[in-house]
Amino acid sequence: GIQVEQSPPDLILQEGANSTLRCNFSDSVNNLQWFHQNPWGQLINLFYIPSGTKQNGRLSATTVATERYSLLYISSSQTTDSGVYFCAVGGGGNQFYFGTGTSLTVIP
Amino acid sequence: GAVVSQHPSWVICKSGTSVKIECRSLDFQATTMFWYRQFPKQSLMLMATSNEGSKATYEQGVEKDKFLINHASLTLSTLTVTSAHPEDSSFYICSARDWGRGGHYEQYFGPGTRLTVT
Repeated sequence: GIQVEQSPPDLILQEGANSTLRCNFSDSVNNLQWFHQNPWGQLINLFYIPSGTKQNGRLSATTVATERYSLLYISSSQTTDSGVYFCAVGGGGNQFYFGTGTSLTVIP
Repeated sequence: GAVVSQHPSWVICKSGTSVKIECRSLDFQATTMFWYRQFPKQSLMLMATSNEGSKATYEQGVEKDKFLINHASLTLSTLTVTSAHPEDSSFYICSARDWGRGGHYEQYFGPGTRLTVT
């Protein structure tokens, strides 16, 4: 399957700071999504972004498909942004593979 | 829209018993559903892909006789952990694909089921 690596694995931020999370994948993809997993385990859809750039409030994401990476930007971070961020990708088949995750802690 | 439910949210069972977990797409039809397991502080590992009306496709290393998957309708997939053992204790999450407004498939996830085998 497609290998998906995320960096950094852990990130601690002061409230109000900005951050960039990275997702590298090993093969071409036709689906890439970013998720936030809350403390109760629920995965919340953030972006569907196999290519290009999207923005939603304080969050934005960019995927450069030809170079096989995606970035998630969080601006003016809040304590409620804490949790684990995953990117996940799908290739030609039905499978959908998760990255290693970035654990974000925002401190007041 | 695109809501996926799971039942039960958590279950405790004794070693040797079987446990069934249900995954439902509430407001859309899903020809394909997926089952994942997640250990503490780790990522989600794809176990199998469930296709309505046909056999599931299991990932390498996942025992198909131990983790039985049935996708009998367009809104329901079930995962049965047979003869559960303590090492099967984990967080099991299902997802379903929805052909969304954007003209593409997008994955939506259930809230997960925490299984503890004693």
